Amino acid sequence: DGGITQSPKYLFRKEGQNVTLSCEQNLNHDAMYWYRQDPGQGLRLIYYSQIVNDFQKGDIAEGYSVSREKKESFPLTVTSAQKNPTAFYLCASRPGVTGELFFGEGSRLTVL
Amino acid sequence: SQQGEEDPQALSIQEGENATMNCSYKTSINNLQWYRQNSGRGLVHLILIRSNEREKHSGRLRVTLDTSKKSSSLLITASRAADTASYFCATFPSSGNTPLVFGKGTRLSVIA
Repeated sequence: DGGITQSPKYLFRKEGQNVTLSCEQNLNHDAMYWYRQDPGQGLRLIYYSQIVNDFQKGDIAEGYSVSREKKESFPLTVTSAQKNPTAFYLCASRPGVTGELFFGEGSRLTVL
Repeated sequence: SQQGEEDPQALSIQEGENATMNCSYKTSINNLQWYRQNSGRGLVHLILIRSNEREKHSGRLRVTLDTSKKSSSLLITASRAADTASYFCATFPSSGNTPLVFGKGTRLSVIA
């Protein structure tokens, strides 16, 4: 089945540790996105990539890093520089420029 | 930056009633999209309405768009308990090739 797979679904991290969230899609979409969602809040854009080997910062990129070495994969690293990383992270992809987004099921990160 | 603002923030209705959610936005758009999110899950695309369209239907969903007022509404008719979820509007700005901007969502509870 085509779709977007995020892993892990739940992740616990100690303060000061980096952690990488995986996002893989087999939809052959060019554009991929990372959003952060805090309780009762909307989605805030962290990073996005519209083509392989290229990505742009979103509204809250500080403390995060990404790579886009393959069309199917867009991993997000939450670094120790991110002051408040506990949140629900959503990855999405889009086939065209203006169409709908397809979302993964999310990864919930908790910092202990 | 969050452009869309949904109203109300929360809505509780009885099964069989209609639910109306509103979205206001700030800048010119190419299209406006509505998404649904069940608790702890990813978002699912419901409907897209283009800036030159005024109304669109999909099953029990009806979306209207008023570009002069920069607002949209989502109507769910004959609601069911399974419609309980958060609903988000997202706008695609007409200013360029930029990502979707999401609002904070309306939390809908349908009581059986």
